[in-house]
Amino acid sequence: GAGVSQSPRYKVAKRGQDVALRCDPISGHVSLFWYQQALGQGPEFLTYFQNEAQLDKSGLPSDRFFAERPEGSVSTLKIQRTQQEDSAVYLCASSLGRVTYNEQFFGPGTRLTVL
Amino acid sequence: DQQVKQNSPSLSVQEGRISILNCDYTNSMFDYFLWYKKYPAEGPTFLISISSIKDKNEDGRFTVFLNKSAKHLSLHIVPSQPGDSAVYFCAASAGTYKYIFGTGTRLKVLA
Repeated sequence: GAGVSQSPRYKVAKRGQDVALRCDPISGHVSLFWYQQALGQGPEFLTYFQNEAQLDKSGLPSDRFFAERPEGSVSTLKIQRTQQEDSAVYLCASSLGRVTYNEQFFGPGTRLTVL
Repeated sequence: DQQVKQNSPSLSVQEGRISILNCDYTNSMFDYFLWYKKYPAEGPTFLISISSIKDKNEDGRFTVFLNKSAKHLSLHIVPSQPGDSAVYFCAASAGTYKYIFGTGTRLKVLA
């Protein structure tokens, strides 16, 4: 389909392992966002890319979290030395324009469980 | 500090009746509000939005009302259908791309 896709859909990691979560945005979408959704909560902003530039990483909870979008399309969210509190659904969203008030289209998310 | 609050975790409504989902916010700088709908194992899907210069926006069966003085918005679904059963998230932004989401309300429409 033409929507935002994410992989893997489910990931189980042992505490201390590194994980990499992939997001394929809608083709041509300039803006890309990562959100973290803990159980029973709404999505919380992590970081924002405009093309390949990471313009805002204010929501990343610690320096164990790292995101990249090297060619302005696919993005990867990497979590190093995972902890149990990192267990959540990680949502990726993309939008067409650079300006605000653009609809964000969400992917299905990656459910990360850290044991 | 929760800037966007959805105080009802769940709501059940009979098919054909009106569903009213509520959302309160604390930040007076918010100028754009959205509702997203989420089915299990899917990402949130945009439903309807409203700018702070308006007090009402309508799209088919869905209407969003904004009361700025009360810092309150509501989503009305008329008539409710079983396919509307989902989790509804209210979100707000203060002139930026950064959306602040509420915790969601699970709507169940009973056939």
